[in-house]
Amino acid sequence: AQSVAQPEDQVNVAEGNPLTVKCTYSVSGNPYLFWYVQYPNRGLQFLLKYITGDNLVKGSYGFEAEFNKSQTSFHLKKPSALVSDSALYFCAVRGPTDSWGKLQFGSGTQVVVTP
Amino acid sequence: DTEVTQTPKHLVMGMTNKKSLKCEQHMGHRAMYWYKQKAKKPPELMFVYSYEKLSINESVPSRFSPECPNSSLLNLHLHALQPEDSALYLCASSGGGPNQPQHFGDGTRLSIL
Repeated sequence: AQSVAQPEDQVNVAEGNPLTVKCTYSVSGNPYLFWYVQYPNRGLQFLLKYITGDNLVKGSYGFEAEFNKSQTSFHLKKPSALVSDSALYFCAVRGPTDSWGKLQFGSGTQVVVTP
Repeated sequence: DTEVTQTPKHLVMGMTNKKSLKCEQHMGHRAMYWYKQKAKKPPELMFVYSYEKLSINESVPSRFSPECPNSSLLNLHLHALQPEDSALYLCASSGGGPNQPQHFGDGTRLSIL
């Protein structure tokens, strides 16, 4: 069965500094990987996905993620964080043989960006 | 603005009430989902509809009853809920297929008295 881990409950970063949110996964075969962000009192918003191809994926709001097959990681990055990036971030994975309706979510990482 | 619309945004109900949550999408998606989310936790899948047929039920108690009247609408009927059912209920839709992202509504915050 597939699984995904977000090792940090919270990440604190100063505005203007680089932001990294970590995600590792365990899947038999090639994974489908997704990042979502949830702002307070909102639903989850899709940021980006990795299906195949280039290991560096660019997404919404200046975010990007790097797929590393050897380290089974899919870390989310932003070169210069904004206070408005403060939110809850979820990594999600689906395996190639999984029912396409099922996403396995990580536990979430709270990002706090201070002015 | 989200493309998946959920109503109501907030709902308070007693344990003996019957109520319904509604979800609507106009993106032509053929898969729709219900999730339950507790504060600061990831969403938990409840039901998946594919082409208006129930394809996944994650062993959800029968006090939750989903309905998909057409490809754009998804309902969740609630009856005799328990206090532990208080949560944010999220609806999502997708184009179907493993590489398609799910698009979420902003949810209904449900409180059971």
